[in-house]
Amino acid sequence: DVKVTQSSRYLVKRTGEKVFLECVQDMDHENMFWYRQDPGLGLRLIYFSYDVKMKEKGDIPEGYSVSREKKERFSLILESASTNQTSMYLCASSDRDRAIKPQHFGDGTRLSIL
Amino acid sequence: DQQVKQNSPSLSVQEGRISILNCDYTNSMFDYFLWYKKYPAEGPTFLISISSIKDKNEDGRFTVFLNKSAKHLSLHIVPSQPGDSAVYFCAASAYPSGTYKYIFGTGTRLKVLA
Repeated sequence: DVKVTQSSRYLVKRTGEKVFLECVQDMDHENMFWYRQDPGLGLRLIYFSYDVKMKEKGDIPEGYSVSREKKERFSLILESASTNQTSMYLCASSDRDRAIKPQHFGDGTRLSIL
Repeated sequence: DQQVKQNSPSLSVQEGRISILNCDYTNSMFDYFLWYKKYPAEGPTFLISISSIKDKNEDGRFTVFLNKSAKHLSLHIVPSQPGDSAVYFCAASAYPSGTYKYIFGTGTRLKVLA
């Protein structure tokens, strides 16, 4: 089974802090994704990556950056945290070689910015 | 612009009856559709998918129907069980465009009453 692990389940940070959210997958997947989930808005894509050192903006990249130095690890960075970034953050991965494959999700990090 | 819409935020169904969850989309380039189920404090898990070359896909108690002319898909759960109580997200993808992005709907919270 695919395992996507997010380093923290709950995180509380202060406004202006630099925040790192880490995600690791164990299935050698090429594609990795960061979403945020907010009530009434569903899952919105922040950034995704097709390969090591590759990244592309999703639908709501403002205020975020990402890093993919190793295939199995995809980090989301909040450069200067703000209260409107309080949310549930979900990481996912998928296999690129097989044309149509579902994304596999981690259990999420609930981030509160005070 | 919400390309994938789930217009019913919630649905309640008696145990043993059919649950029907609906999803509409606007982009005719979408050619692959998925349903995910999400329990509280867990990441979404893949449930069932359908390619645009089909109009129905069945997996046990779960059936997804696709009506391309109406740009509408639905998920039928028969019979519904209390363990099916969760938030259900539909998602769409336009794979041949070269992207692996999914566009998610806002979710429908299903409650199955015992």
